[in-house]
This record gives sequence, structure tokens and C-alpha cells, in this order.
Amino acid sequence: AIQLTQSPSSLSASVGDRVTITCRASQGISSALAWYQQKPGKAPKLLIYDASSLKSGVPSRFSGSGSGTDFALIISSLQPEDFATYYCQQFKTYPLTFGGGTKVEIK
Amino acid sequence: QLQLQESGPGLVKPSEALSLTCTVSGASISSSSYYWGWIRQPPGKGLEWIGSIYYSGSTYYNPSLKSRVTISVDTSKNQFSLKLSSVTAADTAVYYCARRITIFYDYWGQGTVVTVSS
Repeated sequence: AIQLTQSPSSLSASVGDRVTITCRASQGISSALAWYQQKPGKAPKLLIYDASSLKSGVPSRFSGSGSGTDFALIISSLQPEDFATYYCQQFKTYPLTFGGGTKVEIK
Repeated sequence: QLQLQESGPGLVKPSEALSLTCTVSGASISSSSYYWGWIRQPPGKGLEWIGSIYYSGSTYYNPSLKSRVTISVDTSKNQFSLKLSSVTAADTAVYYCARRITIFYDYWGQGTVVTVSS
């Protein structure tokens, strides 16, 4: 199975900060990667698909980059509603796998 | 508006089977454009993909659970189901159903808590 390693596992940041979360795949997955945001007690919400395509309705401060094995989710200016846990997921091969998550907390 | 709703017992005894159903409204489960999946999240932990089914009945399972998992579809009721046999405390989790379009899950149910305990 393809392993996805997210880093950091948690971070503290302030409103307005630029935040970068990385996701490294154990083997190449082309651009078959999605990013989700999850808030406590809620289901994950899709932010980015195909590594860099922004889902309709998601604020443009979110962006994704990368291909092959190294990927990033960037929040250009952190807003209060962005404090949450973020997960990457690969769709290249079965079993579909998730990264371990990155919790973004308020500094 | 597409909605997915999980249903089933919230408490299951060890060694018994867990059975959940996901009812889809606002879209046909028979569409050739989608896969339908189950994902779970143990308390305080990350997400684990359980498996997916296509409307034709083709299934894909996580090897770590494959021997215990069955996912089925009922197109007449616009539902798909999860059965996980021989459960233990490690199967305690929030279980989500979700719709997949090729390379992402775009719609998720709200999740249902399943506790394995005697």
C-alpha cells in the first residue's frame, strides 16, 4: 500500500499567517491526490483534487501543488475558520490511503 | 442537493457483525460516474479507507480488513451497505459513507458512531 506522510502533524499559527502542509507519498502517484479539511465532530470536506484543482466554492486562499511523490497544501492567509485538521488522500492505487493528518491550531 | 445518511446500530458486541446502511438522496446510485465508499475514524485518530463499490457491484476493499468486510449495493432502494464481521474494540469508530468521483470524495454523510462493547 502507498503510504502518505504528512508534516507537520500539528502546527500553531496566527490569523493572517501563510501555512504550508506537506504530504509525501511512498511511491509516485502522479497528481492523484486530494486534500480535505475536517472540523471536530464533522465529516471531512474536499478542498483540492487532482493535486492542485480547487473545488468550486472553496476560498482562493487555499491552493495545492506537487506531483509524483511530494505535495503541498498552502493557505495563503489563515482565517479563523481555517483552524481544523487537514488530510491528504491518494487515489492512484488501491487501497486508497490517507495521510495521518495535520492539526492547525491558534497561536 | 445530494445527501448521504448512515444508519445502523450504535452499539455492537465483540465478535458480532457490524452492519450499516447509507441512503443516498438527490442522485442515483446507479450512475456510472460514481463509486460509493466507506471510511472510518477511530476516536481521536485519523481516517481509514474501508472500501468502495460501483453500481455494477464491483468492490474494492482495504486488505487490512478484507477478510471481514462486505460492501453491497441495493439500487432499488438507492442504498449501499457495509458489513464488518467479528468486531473488536479496535473497530470502534465514526463510520462515514461517501461518494467518489474518480480521484476524490466529494460528498460525505455526517457519520455514525459505532461502539464495540459488551
